[in-house]
Amino acid sequence: QVQLVQSGAEVKKAGASVKVSCRTSGYTFTDYYMHWVRQAPGEGLEWMGWINPNSGGTNYAQKFQGRVTMTRDTSISTAYMELSSLTSDDTAVYYCARDSYRGHSYSWAFDYWGQGTLVTVSS
Amino acid sequence: DIQMTQSPSTLSVSVGDRVTITCRASQSISIWLAWYQQKPGKAPKLLIQKASDLESGAPSRFSGRGSGTEFTLTISSLQPDDFAAYYCQQYNTYPYTFGQGTKLEIK
Repeated sequence: QVQLVQSGAEVKKAGASVKVSCRTSGYTFTDYYMHWVRQAPGEGLEWMGWINPNSGGTNYAQKFQGRVTMTRDTSISTAYMELSSLTSDDTAVYYCARDSYRGHSYSWAFDYWGQGTLVTVSS
Repeated sequence: DIQMTQSPSTLSVSVGDRVTITCRASQSISIWLAWYQQKPGKAPKLLIQKASDLESGAPSRFSGRGSGTEFTLTISSLQPDDFAAYYCQQYNTYPYTFGQGTKLEIK
């Protein structure tokens, strides 16, 4: 069965960086885009971007350009999301989510999600 | 960015009710719309994509309709397990965007 297991909660100081991992199993990691979505406490969902695990290519939301870096390690079927220059506005649960399209020509909805990683930024 | 507007934000309903949630896009997104269910402390769960395609394993009481800018999610007969928040999402244009959510509460 498909599983996405994320790393544990993080507490960071303002100005620091955080790196969240998403370890996958149950499918061919390189066949599907991996997205990152965040949710501030009590708020809605915000898409941050995707990584093509096959090529390493990325597509970031403009809001996060320059601050986010998505990478992957195909040898361990794991995706990473690093966010830098953290502020209190970055306090949120961060999710990895698999694209439901098998391949790299399109991007569809997100069919499997990690359990979420709470990142708390303190000043 | 494409703005997705859901209505209502909160809905007080009872088990057995027929429930309809509306999602409007600020510009046409064809059929590239998904609906997710989210329970407190849990990740969202995909219910419907391409506006009306029910995901494998999602109950048949959920249905989606629409194209262009106006979409609906209908629950034909609300069950206790359905009390949750529901989000629409467009994946026609980057950046992908979500509605603000609709929370179903017990009346």
